[in-house]
Amino acid sequence: QLQLQESGPGLVKPSETLSLTCTVSGGSISSSTYYWGWIRQPPGKGLEWIASIYYTGSTFYNPSLKSRVTMSVDTSKNQFSLKLSSVTAADTSIFYCARHVLPRGYTSGSPFDYWGQGSLVTVSS
Amino acid sequence: DIVMTQSPDSLAVSLGERATINCKSSQSVFHSSYNKASLAWYQQKPGQPPKVLISWASTRESGVPDRFSGSGSGTDFTLTISSLQAEDVAVYYCQQYYSTPITFGQGTRLEIK
Repeated sequence: QLQLQESGPGLVKPSETLSLTCTVSGGSISSSTYYWGWIRQPPGKGLEWIASIYYTGSTFYNPSLKSRVTMSVDTSKNQFSLKLSSVTAADTSIFYCARHVLPRGYTSGSPFDYWGQGSLVTVSS
Repeated sequence: DIVMTQSPDSLAVSLGERATINCKSSQSVFHSSYNKASLAWYQQKPGQPPKVLISWASTRESGVPDRFSGSGSGTDFTLTISSLQAEDVAVYYCQQYYSTPITFGQGTRLEIK
């Protein structure tokens, strides 16, 4: 059974960089089919896709956050990571990692089928 | 970006009654190569990540009770719960996976009347 688990600091100061890691177990991150993504959810609010990465390191970012987001992958550890820079209180959210197929040109995507439990990150001084 | 708009924002339905949630996309999410709409429905209960219920607008995921059904095409979609159970209290989201950026509806909160 595939499992994803987010880890990282729960508190980040304004203007600093938020860093999270997702560890995948029960399956390989080096799948030829799937992308690995981050989704955030401000407390009590809706879902926003942040970015996704392929095991080769190919990345796709939401244009609304692209200037502040960096994703990376470590296939040896079966992990992928998110960095969000210059954070403000508005970035306070539960961050989820999840698996999906990214839509590419003539190829459809897929829903996010496996999710981590989520990691609450609060931006506050 | 494809904007997903759900209605209503909240809904109260009596146990055993039908619940209907609507989702409209700002452009078609019908994928001609697959002859299907790239539209999913999720259920999110408090303190849990979202769980996918329906993919391709109308395909129930494995293990999802058959009281949940999805319909629609093009730009207008519906999630129907045929006979509401207490465990169905949750927030429901639609999501398009037709193109990036992937986008979600704002959510519909379903409660018991």
